Amino acid sequence: DTAVSQTPKYLVTQMGNDKSIKCEQNLGHDTMYWYKQDSKKFLKIMFSYNNKELIINETVPNRFSPKSPDKAHLNLHINSLELGDSAVYFCASSQGGRGNTIYFGEGSWLTVV
Amino acid sequence: AQSVTQPDIHITVSEGASLELRCNYSYGATPYLFWYVQSPGQGLQLLLKYFSGDTLVQGIKGFEAEFKRSQSSFNLRKPSVHWSDAAEYFCAVGASGTASKLTFGTGTRLQVTL
Repeated sequence: DTAVSQTPKYLVTQMGNDKSIKCEQNLGHDTMYWYKQDSKKFLKIMFSYNNKELIINETVPNRFSPKSPDKAHLNLHINSLELGDSAVYFCASSQGGRGNTIYFGEGSWLTVV
Repeated sequence: AQSVTQPDIHITVSEGASLELRCNYSYGATPYLFWYVQSPGQGLQLLLKYFSGDTLVQGIKGFEAEFKRSQSSFNLRKPSVHWSDAAEYFCAVGASGTASKLTFGTGTRLQVTL
């Protein structure tokens, strides 16, 4: 079983559209994350939720809205997509705080045309 | 604020040769350090991590890393590289707080020649 799974894996969409990426973890972790990897492979945290509460929000545009319906799920909704949103989005999870291993999903490749 | 520097953008080694990937970090307290590997088109897999204790850490796939506080370094090593090790390698430092906020380096792309 995949520990952290995200769908879709590939997404091509037009500018201005709204899209969502879903993430689920079956590790029983209480903390989930979204990371963005840009075209230069640079990885940066976007959001983190702990027990369904938002605890990290790294100056991400308001067009990005995470939603955590329960501890095992963290979805990412993006409004009014722009060309610059093209990236790989990684969902991840961990148990507890600092130092605990973060487990990553396989990524969602978003291309905005 | 914490930061990670991976000085080598791209490294090429021959299969069977030894490997060392460099990582330098900046963090005000005791760091939690990680190495992740990303194969083409794949997600991130944890190779190893350092929290405390023995400064030489063993990981999966025959990798090891050594934490050197005096040099603020956490270099990744492997005695004999296999062609399947070709991938992108990321060093990361964990920040304090409720959640593990990882700050990543820019990655080192490893190419293995046969």
